[in-house]
Amino acid sequence: GEDVEQSLFLSVREGDSSVINCTYTDSSSTYLYWYKQEPGAGLQLLTYIFSNMDMKQDQRLTVLLNKKDKHLSLRIADTQTGDSAIYFCAEKTGNQGGKLIFGQGTELSVKP
Amino acid sequence: DAGVIQSPRHEVTEMGQEVTLRCKPISGHNSLFWYRQTMMRGLELLIYFNNNVPIDDSGMPEDRFSAKMPNASFSTLKIQPSEPRDSAVYFCASSPGTESAQYFGPGTRLLVL
Repeated sequence: GEDVEQSLFLSVREGDSSVINCTYTDSSSTYLYWYKQEPGAGLQLLTYIFSNMDMKQDQRLTVLLNKKDKHLSLRIADTQTGDSAIYFCAEKTGNQGGKLIFGQGTELSVKP
Repeated sequence: DAGVIQSPRHEVTEMGQEVTLRCKPISGHNSLFWYRQTMMRGLELLIYFNNNVPIDDSGMPEDRFSAKMPNASFSTLKIQPSEPRDSAVYFCASSPGTESAQYFGPGTRLLVL
């Protein structure tokens, strides 16, 4: 079945770049998403990429997709303390209708 | 735009009581999703609707859970009777279509004692 895996923790210094990685198993993925969840809040859509793209850039965020290896990454440039949160990767597959399959989330800690 | 609205934001109840969670999707969105988030299981999709019709309820844990969407601007998730293991954060999300991104509400934090 479908599975999405992420590492659980990442710690970086303020001003450094952060790279959060995600692997997925379903080759029929159509869209892949990155969500951010701050403590006590809901999930905020950060960005998404269509499966026929390799890269998408949006201000400080860069998404890279390696479809051959089923690997997705989110790079945050010039990481700030306000970027501390849990980041979820999610995939939408071609045969599951509107369902999103979420990873377990990566907790990003940004130290001053 | 107001975003997805959920109520109540917090609910504390005793085991055996009925719990009703409410959701108002973003206006114009025709897909609505109910999720549950716990430390142990992460985010789980419970059920989703398209044009007010339930499409996939395979994630609903058991018969104690039911969901309705009587119109395009309102949905409920009901737990009857509630049990301590139902304690979780319940999120509602909406989407312009099943092929589009989902936008989440702030969640309802449920504690069943």
